[in-house]
Amino acid sequence: DQQVKQNSPSLSVQEGRISILNCDYTNSMFDYFLWYKKYPAEGPTFLISISSIKDKNEDGRFTVFLNKSAKHLSLHIVPSQPGDSAVYFCAASPRGQNFVFGPGTRLSVLP
Amino acid sequence: GAVVSQHPSRVICKSGTSVKIECRSLDFQATTMFWYRQFPKQSLMLMATSNEGSKATYEQGVEKDKFLINHASLTLSTLTVTSAHPEDSSFYICSAIDRLVAFFGQGTRLTVV
Repeated sequence: DQQVKQNSPSLSVQEGRISILNCDYTNSMFDYFLWYKKYPAEGPTFLISISSIKDKNEDGRFTVFLNKSAKHLSLHIVPSQPGDSAVYFCAASPRGQNFVFGPGTRLSVLP
Repeated sequence: GAVVSQHPSRVICKSGTSVKIECRSLDFQATTMFWYRQFPKQSLMLMATSNEGSKATYEQGVEKDKFLINHASLTLSTLTVTSAHPEDSSFYICSAIDRLVAFFGQGTRLTVV
């Protein structure tokens, strides 16, 4: 039973447009959420996080939105760049404890 | 952000031998570290939680006698793959949490021939 789901295994977006990556979770104990980016043969790199007391957090081109009632969060990247092409993992945590990762979404930004 | 260093990045070993992978938190102390495994085109699979000064906690289906974990200090955890077989070939990644963010090592590509 997946507690963190990323239902789109892949996504293709044109350079300069917006990329929207979605994530759903089932465990109501999760109150801290993170997004990671991963290139092949490398460890994941932390991108942005959001606490359950907020519904939006922005850092440069990256914005994460959290809808607690729907148990849904999304990562927006705008404008998308070819260097953003990677696998993006959503992760959820009950504050400071282990992280549960989604299966990942492969983003391809086309020039 | 915090830095987690993993070594080696790549190792090839013969079937039946053991391989040790090190994970270090360089600029913070980590009482807990995590070991993951990633198969091609699949997500990160948590193998075990490494606890400083005590026994590791293994996830269901992970053989603790095969994947030995030692967390002897607040900055170092090691994963030893014992009597490695070709099916143990995979990408192994460690992580540690610093101020609510999990930081990851670079990963180790293990190939057992």
